[in-house]
Amino acid sequence: DAGVIQSPRHEVTEMGQEVTLRCKPISGHNSLFWYRQTMMRGLELLIYFNNNVPIDDSGMPEDRFSAKMPNASFSTLKIQPSEPRDSAVYFCASSLGSALPNTEAFFGQGTRLTVV
Amino acid sequence: SQQGEEDPQALSIQEGENATMNCSYKTSINNLQWYRQNSGRGLVHLILIRSNEREKHSGRLRVTLDTSKKSSSLLITASRAADTASYFCATDEAQKLVFGQGTRLTINP
Repeated sequence: DAGVIQSPRHEVTEMGQEVTLRCKPISGHNSLFWYRQTMMRGLELLIYFNNNVPIDDSGMPEDRFSAKMPNASFSTLKIQPSEPRDSAVYFCASSLGSALPNTEAFFGQGTRLTVV
Repeated sequence: SQQGEEDPQALSIQEGENATMNCSYKTSINNLQWYRQNSGRGLVHLILIRSNEREKHSGRLRVTLDTSKKSSSLLITASRAADTASYFCATDEAQKLVFGQGTRLTINP
């Protein structure tokens, strides 16, 4: 298996533009997590899906952020409109298991987003 | 929210020495995990220890868990330059995988 695949690896966009980050989880995994990593705030959980259903989106910072998982093999995280403070590395991770995270999570390589 | 808090924030040791990192958490857990992150890369799972376990080994890694003190430690024995990375603990808080701020470990040759 190729692991969790994220695209793009790097994204530079202007403030106000829409940004879409993509994630392909490991085949067969039924839990998917979106995290954001910054120096100041560390790793923050944004949203968590189980069996394609959003379970907890309390970490989504504001209405400008939205995430979807239309099927078991694809998820998107969209920021519209983007702002400079959204600059961060965004990670997608997947795991196999129930709603409770009792197994290891596999991370993608991340998308480094820069909003100028 | 940050459930786990790692200590120290940064650690620099000589190759061959042992490295110990600690993690404290606030709420009850079902399991605690340790991850490694090399610079510019994603996190890689190292080891998972369940709440009814006290110690677990994997190669040069040794993890302990003290649920009464709400703390865990990660010991890396006979460190190598390749162990240079950030190490994070993660707990299952409210059915979510929540990470601490991490310990940055530097192994000097």
